[in-house]
Amino acid sequence: EPEVTQTPSHQVTQMGQEVILRCVPISNHLYFYWYRQILGQKVEFLVSFYNNEISEKSEIFDDQFSVERPDGSNFTLKIRSTKLEDSAMYFCASSYSPTGGDRRQYFGPGTRLTVL
Amino acid sequence: GESVGLHLPTLSVQEGDNSIINCAYSNSASDYFIWYKQESGKGPQFIIDIRSNMDKRQGQRVTVLLNKTVKHLSLQIAATQPGDSAVYFCAETDVNKLVFGAGTILRVKS
Repeated sequence: EPEVTQTPSHQVTQMGQEVILRCVPISNHLYFYWYRQILGQKVEFLVSFYNNEISEKSEIFDDQFSVERPDGSNFTLKIRSTKLEDSAMYFCASSYSPTGGDRRQYFGPGTRLTVL
Repeated sequence: GESVGLHLPTLSVQEGDNSIINCAYSNSASDYFIWYKQESGKGPQFIIDIRSNMDKRQGQRVTVLLNKTVKHLSLQIAATQPGDSAVYFCAETDVNKLVFGAGTILRVKS
């Protein structure tokens, strides 16, 4: 069964540094998402992406965050200047359609980001 | 009820018993709902979904019930097994995103 993959599985960085989290969505999916989960809390939406542009973003997704689909397979989340409160699990997800017949979002295994 | 932070509600069941996990959602306009299972250190795993034009949907060992009148979802797991131990989240759709509930910890006792 196709899977969403993410790298790295764990990223440790110093406050103020830039990080790039990488995802390979399922190959025939058209919609891509980033979510995050602070330890012990619920999963929170960050951003959705379709047709090379952001469809929606949350209040968390401020100017320090950006997303990109640099080629036909990768989807990245960049945090320009990390803060301590950015420490969380970051999940990439993809779906074929958010409104059509198959609306299931499939999640990757996550990247644990630790900001020191 | 639902909680946030480290104080998730916990359901403990004996292996072989049936489990019922409940979830309240907030948006009466939501038309699609998903249940996810999350094991420690892993991403949410799709279990079952339901559209708002249905009130029940069955999968393998799982059933989802939807009560739109009171904005309530439940997930029933038949013959619960140790491998079912995880955190279970319901999620409602909001066009371009999923909105997750706080989660319920399911512990299966052997």
